Amino acid sequence: DQQVKQNSPSLSVQEGRISILNCDYTNSMFDYFLWYKKYPAEGPTFLISISSIKDKNEDGRFTVFLNKSAKHLSLHIVPSQPGDSAVYFCAASLLRNTDKLIFGTGTRLQVFP
Amino acid sequence: EAGVAQSPRYKIIEKRQSVAFWCNPISGHATLYWYQQILGQGPKLLIQFQNNGVVDDSQLPKDRFSAERLKGVDSTLKIQPAKLEDSAVYLCASSSWDANQPQHFGDGTRLSIL
Repeated sequence: DQQVKQNSPSLSVQEGRISILNCDYTNSMFDYFLWYKKYPAEGPTFLISISSIKDKNEDGRFTVFLNKSAKHLSLHIVPSQPGDSAVYFCAASLLRNTDKLIFGTGTRLQVFP
Repeated sequence: EAGVAQSPRYKIIEKRQSVAFWCNPISGHATLYWYQQILGQGPKLLIQFQNNGVVDDSQLPKDRFSAERLKGVDSTLKIQPAKLEDSAVYLCASSSWDANQPQHFGDGTRLSIL
């Protein structure tokens, strides 16, 4: 069963505009949510996280929003840059940093000039 | 600080052969994870170690996969015998006791089974 879902396999955005990547989950016991970014032939790189007790976390151009009632989170990138072109994975865990991560299938973001 | 090191980067073998992957986590990280990422999917946990003890191996196909973390530092993951469906990227990750720090991943080993 797919506990973490990313329903959009790809997204194309113009440079300077906002990129919004979405993620849905089914397990209400998840306590911690993360976004990882992955370039080809490299491992996933941590981007930003949010605890289940918060509804927003911001780090520079990246903001993650959590809607627990809808079991939905989103990653906003503003402004988008060509270097942001990568695959973005949403992940969740039951315990902060000491538990396995459950990953979505990823969304490929392409930022064009 | 140095990241998670994995080797080899690529491996091609025939089905029914055996293969081993190596991982050296970030220094001081007590928890080590092996994930399998099949093409088009997200990484899936195979096994989690806390120091040299196994925390979770519920998704490890134990009839063919084995892993060890002797001395609680580096780790090896072995497949014997390999099947076509084992073609994937094998990612190693590590994390510290600091609850504010996420898991850090290595660049993975891409395994192709012919």
